[in-house]
Amino acid sequence: KAGVTQTPRYLIKTRGQQVTLSCSPISGHRSVSWYQQTPGQGLQFLFEYFSETQRNKGNFPGRFSGRQFSNSRSEMNVSTLELGDSALYLCASSSQGEYGYTFGSGTRLTVV
Amino acid sequence: GQQLNQSPQSMFIQEGEDVSMNCTSSSIFNTWLWYKQDPGEGPVLLIALYKAGELTSNGRLTAQFGITRKDSFLNISASIPSDVGIYFCAGQESGTTYKYIFGTGTRLKVLA
Repeated sequence: KAGVTQTPRYLIKTRGQQVTLSCSPISGHRSVSWYQQTPGQGLQFLFEYFSETQRNKGNFPGRFSGRQFSNSRSEMNVSTLELGDSALYLCASSSQGEYGYTFGSGTRLTVV
Repeated sequence: GQQLNQSPQSMFIQEGEDVSMNCTSSSIFNTWLWYKQDPGEGPVLLIALYKAGELTSNGRLTAQFGITRKDSFLNISASIPSDVGIYFCAGQESGTTYKYIFGTGTRLKVLA
């Protein structure tokens, strides 16, 4: 079956702009989680969605937001970009009751 | 953000050697996962552990869920060049759901 698909793979934005990242989970998976990965901070949990509802949220500022659609696809938005937002953003999906995630290849965001 | 303590941070080993890495936490975990990440890709799940004391193998990989529920170990036997990558532990804290905390990673380099 197809894996988790993230688009775009690479993105360059300017400080102050906003960006939207997309994630299509594995077919049948209803839970989608987002993580930010940086060399210094490792993988940091952003939020998790299930059936269009946010069930858990990490410690990120309100500039980071997300949503999930009825087909389980999810988007993550970052407004007013800062240089420190440069990172690999990973999306992961799982089915209800299944332990562990399947990750996508990520979106590499560079803020200049 | 919260992270697990993972050691060692990096290691160089000769092909054919065995490798051990571990992960510790100050709090109790319900689930431990081990992932491997190759450059430019998202982490891939290697082994999942669900109860204290559990020992699980996946080919040359063996992982254990510590009896105190505050640690986990991953062993790789007879390492080969394709074992190169970053290994992450991840856990779900007791009393929390829908969120995994990741370790800081162990970067493994295998010398042929």
